[in-house]
Amino acid sequence: AQTVTQSQPEMSVQEAETVTLSCTYDTSESDYYLFWYKQPPSRQMILVIRQEAYKQQNATENRFSVNFQKAAKSFSLKISDSQLGDAAMYFCAYRHTGANSKLTFGKGITLSVRP
Amino acid sequence: SAVISQKPSRDICQRGTSLTIQCQVDSQVTMMFWYRQQPGQSLTLIATANQGSEATYESGFVIDKFPISRPNLTFSTLTVSNMSPEDSSIYLCSAAQDTGELFFGEGSRLTVL
Repeated sequence: AQTVTQSQPEMSVQEAETVTLSCTYDTSESDYYLFWYKQPPSRQMILVIRQEAYKQQNATENRFSVNFQKAAKSFSLKISDSQLGDAAMYFCAYRHTGANSKLTFGKGITLSVRP
Repeated sequence: SAVISQKPSRDICQRGTSLTIQCQVDSQVTMMFWYRQQPGQSLTLIATANQGSEATYESGFVIDKFPISRPNLTFSTLTVSNMSPEDSSIYLCSAAQDTGELFFGEGSRLTVL
């Protein structure tokens, strides 16, 4: 079974600074997706970034980028120039590329941003 | 990306009653999923809703307690039956996109007294 591990329950970052959120996963599959989702207090789950396992290039979306290490099964999220609106819970998630596959989440990390 | 409307957004229910949560997607999707989330915790998958067939339930969740309907490619319902205070939680509907990711509704916060 696939597992996703986020070992840090909480992190804090100064506004305008950079922070990295860690995630590791375990799978025997070779073809899959990895995601980072953001959940602010409003509880709406928002997709931050996605990575396809077959792509060697790390995904980037504006201030958000990932460090995808397939051999190490590591998928960290870097947030640059942190803003107050980045404060939220962040979930790392895994999904096999099969049509009926489910999305497996890590435990999440609460990120706070200090003004 | 798909837009998912979920209702009710919140409700307070009496023990022993049942509540049905509705999930509407603004485009046709193959797979829909129902998750449960305790405040401050991660999401736990309840079941996968397949159009035209029975839902597929995860370990610990049964159809008698959480019956699901999926009458077409844009709509699904989850019923929480014979509720107890332990069922107090946030229930989220999601839909799978062809690009692999899931999009989520805003969730339904249920409180059972």
